[in-house]
Amino acid sequence: EDQVTQSPEALRLQEGESSSLNCSYTVSGLRGLFWYRQDPGKGPEFLFTLYSAGEEKEKERLKATLTKKESFLHITAPKPEDSATYLCAVYLYNQGGKLIFGQGTELSVKP
Amino acid sequence: GAGVSQSPSNKVTEKGKDVELRCDPISGHTALYWYRQSLGQGLEFLIYFQGNSAPDKSGLPSDRFSAERTGGSVSTLTIQRTQQEDSAVYLCASSLGQGSYSDTQYFGPGTRLTVL
Repeated sequence: EDQVTQSPEALRLQEGESSSLNCSYTVSGLRGLFWYRQDPGKGPEFLFTLYSAGEEKEKERLKATLTKKESFLHITAPKPEDSATYLCAVYLYNQGGKLIFGQGTELSVKP
Repeated sequence: GAGVSQSPSNKVTEKGKDVELRCDPISGHTALYWYRQSLGQGLEFLIYFQGNSAPDKSGLPSDRFSAERTGGSVSTLTIQRTQQEDSAVYLCASSLGQGSYSDTQYFGPGTRLTVL
C-alpha cells in the first residue's frame, strides 16, 4: 500500500533556530513529490515539486531535497511568519491525478 | 491572476439535509480535484475530473457523495442525507492536466462543512 509519513508531527523552534522536516514514502512509481504550506483556515499553498533523487529546490529560507525514500524540508533561520503546517504529497504513475498526502508537520516559530 | 475559488466558505446544516459545494477552477486548467480534510486527518482524495474523460470516483466514501463538472469548468460536490461524520473542510484543486510535466495542483480556500 502506498504510504506517506511525515515527522515530527509538531515542531517548536526559536526564531533563527534552523531545523528539518521529514517526509518518508513507500510507494510504487513515484512521479513527483510536492511540498505545500497550509495556514489555519486556508487551503494548501504550493511550495515545491521534486522529481528525481538528488534534486534540490530553494525558496527564501526553505530548501527541499529528495532521495529515493524520503524528502527533507530544511528551514534556515526561521521567522515567526514561517509558522504553519507543512504538507508533503506524492504523485504517482497509474494513479490518475490524485495526490497522496502525509499527515503534516505543524511548525511554530517563536520570537 | 485569479486562483481557485470555492463557495460557500462555511456551511452549517442539519443531519439528513443535502448540501452542494461549488468550485471554480483556475481558467485554462483542465483537471479538477476534490479532497476532504477532517480534524486530525490528512487530506483525503475524493474525485478527479480530467477534461471530457470519465471522472475517477475511487475516493468517494459512499454513494451519498457525488460530483459533476459542467462545461469543463465549474464543479459541484453534492452530499445527500448528510451525517455528522461528513463534517470536514472540503478542498478543491485544479491543474493544467494531462500532458503537462509537473501538473501542480493549486488549491482553493476550502468550504468548512458542519453537520449538526
